[in-house]
Amino acid sequence: GQQVMQIPQYQHVQEGEDFTTYCNSSTTLSNIQWYKQRPGGHPVFLIQLVKSGEVKKQKRLTFQFGEAKKNSSLHITATQTTDVGTYFCAGSTGNQFYFGTGTSLTVIP
Amino acid sequence: GAVVSQHPSRVICKSGTSVKIECRSLDFQATTMFWYRQFPKQSLMLMATSNEGSKATYEQGVEKDKFLINHASLTLSTLTVTSAHPEDSSFYICSAQGLAGIFSEQFFGPGTRLTVL
Repeated sequence: GQQVMQIPQYQHVQEGEDFTTYCNSSTTLSNIQWYKQRPGGHPVFLIQLVKSGEVKKQKRLTFQFGEAKKNSSLHITATQTTDVGTYFCAGSTGNQFYFGTGTSLTVIP
Repeated sequence: GAVVSQHPSRVICKSGTSVKIECRSLDFQATTMFWYRQFPKQSLMLMATSNEGSKATYEQGVEKDKFLINHASLTLSTLTVTSAHPEDSSFYICSAQGLAGIFSEQFFGPGTRLTVL
């Protein structure tokens, strides 16, 4: 079945350090979305990538979709304490999204 | 942005009872609603996809007679956990997708914490 894996599962960084989470799918994706879930909260949409090799930026966040459309990454430059949370990718192969396993980010002040 | 509400936010029930959870899109029409289950510190597990006016599509391993889904209108979907047992205790989250189709983002409800005693 469809599997979307993310690494690492957990990441602790000092405030100001960079952070990257990687998302890998067992099958080719139509598109990929990224969500952030704060502790105790619900997932909030960050961005969607559709094209092969696409790169999008949102301030300190850079999102990339692989050429083969089977992997994606989220990179945060100079993390801040407000970046704390779990980042999920969600890949679509049709009319359903399958969430990745998530990467929990802790930022140490 | 679009708002999705869920009710109740928290429910505690006795084993054997049924619990209904409502998911509403407040300011947009949702052609598709999704129901997820999330265990502590784990990812969201898709349970079922529901389209307004048609039967829900359940993921493999999810009992459709156990988790009844009704998508009566473009703004309301309900999940009923029938004859709940302690192993059904979990965080249930719905999401709604707008009319733009399969490439639309999902807007998530705040979730419902179910505890079955």
